[in-house]
Amino acid sequence: EAQVTQNPRYLITVTGKKLTVTCSQNMNHEYMSWYRQDPGLGLRQIYYSMNVEVTDKGDVPEGYKVSRKEKRNFPLILESPSPNQTSLYFCASSPRANYGYTFGSGTRLTVV
Amino acid sequence: AQSVAQPEDQVNVAEGNPLTVKCTYSVSGNPYLFWYVQYPNRGLQFLLKYITGDNLVKGSYGFEAEFNKSQTSFHLKKPSALVSDSALYFCAVRVHGGYQKVTFGTGTKLQVIP
Repeated sequence: EAQVTQNPRYLITVTGKKLTVTCSQNMNHEYMSWYRQDPGLGLRQIYYSMNVEVTDKGDVPEGYKVSRKEKRNFPLILESPSPNQTSLYFCASSPRANYGYTFGSGTRLTVV
Repeated sequence: AQSVAQPEDQVNVAEGNPLTVKCTYSVSGNPYLFWYVQYPNRGLQFLLKYITGDNLVKGSYGFEAEFNKSQTSFHLKKPSALVSDSALYFCAVRVHGGYQKVTFGTGTKLQVIP
């Protein structure tokens, strides 16, 4: 089944403890992106990648890192999480710019 | 900078009635426009897109959307609403040549009343 897989689905962590949210797609898509969803703010783009080793900042990149060493994987790294990063995170991929995204099921992160 | 506005936080419609969810956008250049739907505790699902050509585009589950360049709008429509259409709807825009810069609206909650 063609899909975007995120792990974990739920995560509660403490301030300052480094964490990684994994994202993997099995559709050979070139484009991948991370979004966070907050009430009243919709989805805001964190980082995106156009291909292996090609990444760029979205609208809210502060406090996040990404890497794209393989085409299928696009992990999101929080080096020192803070409570304002408590949110619902989505990974998404698409084959080309004029295609819609396929989204993962989301990761609900709580930082205490 | 590109932006998307969904002016209504919530739209209520009776089952069987037509529905419209509004979206306006602002970009420098020609837009790619998208609609997505999000059911509770789920990721977003792609509904339809406008790239070029006919202003009326048809998508999944009987939804359609009309692109209006002069009004910079891309409203989502359906002739007859179902209770199962109740969900959160997002409009998104990407500019031609804008790679992965995709901007989403804040979402509109659609409530279809039996």
